[in-house]
Amino acid sequence: GDSVTQMEGPVTLSEEAFLTINCTYTATGYPSLFWYVQYPGEGLQLLLKATKADDKGSNKGFEATYRKETTSFHLEKGSVQVSDSAVYFCALSSFNKFYFGSGTKLNVKP
Amino acid sequence: NAGVMQNPRHLVRRRGQEARLRCSPMKGHSHVYWYRQLPEEGLKFMVYLQKENIIDESGMPKERFSAEFPKEGPSILRIQQVVRGDSAAYFCASSPRDSLYNEQFFGPGTRLTVL
Repeated sequence: GDSVTQMEGPVTLSEEAFLTINCTYTATGYPSLFWYVQYPGEGLQLLLKATKADDKGSNKGFEATYRKETTSFHLEKGSVQVSDSAVYFCALSSFNKFYFGSGTKLNVKP
Repeated sequence: NAGVMQNPRHLVRRRGQEARLRCSPMKGHSHVYWYRQLPEEGLKFMVYLQKENIIDESGMPKERFSAEFPKEGPSILRIQQVVRGDSAAYFCASSPRDSLYNEQFFGPGTRLTVL
């Protein structure tokens, strides 16, 4: 069945460091891929998305490229800020159903 | 345009009581999804509904849990005879009728605590 696997956290970085959170997926068909962010005590907010192979989603300095050949959608940011501390979820959408990864907690220290 | 609304935001119940969680989707959205998030864990799909129809309930526990999305009014997730293991955050998401990519918009969640 369809599924998403993302790297376990927590990930701890210093401010202005480079961020990569790995995400790979298994899917039948042609899924859309998403990254959501969850701040403490809140719901999930869409961070970025890509709907077909080689698409790059980007928002607020975050980027992810839909790689069909490696079935991956890794999240990257060149310079993280303390305010980026949150839990990040990779997800895929296929046949009206969402599949979420287990989430990666990011801690950014000043 | 108001986002997805959920209420209550926090709900405390004693074991054996009933919990009713409400979700109002975004305007123009006719698809509603419910998820459960246990502490320090990811989201688990529970049920997918359209107006007056349950489309996929493969993630719903077989007993005590039910969901509805009536023609008028919010979607309701109902948990009967709650147990401590039901303590979690319950999130509702909605998407438009003709969403090609099925982007989902999440509400703030209801945090259920069972004493």
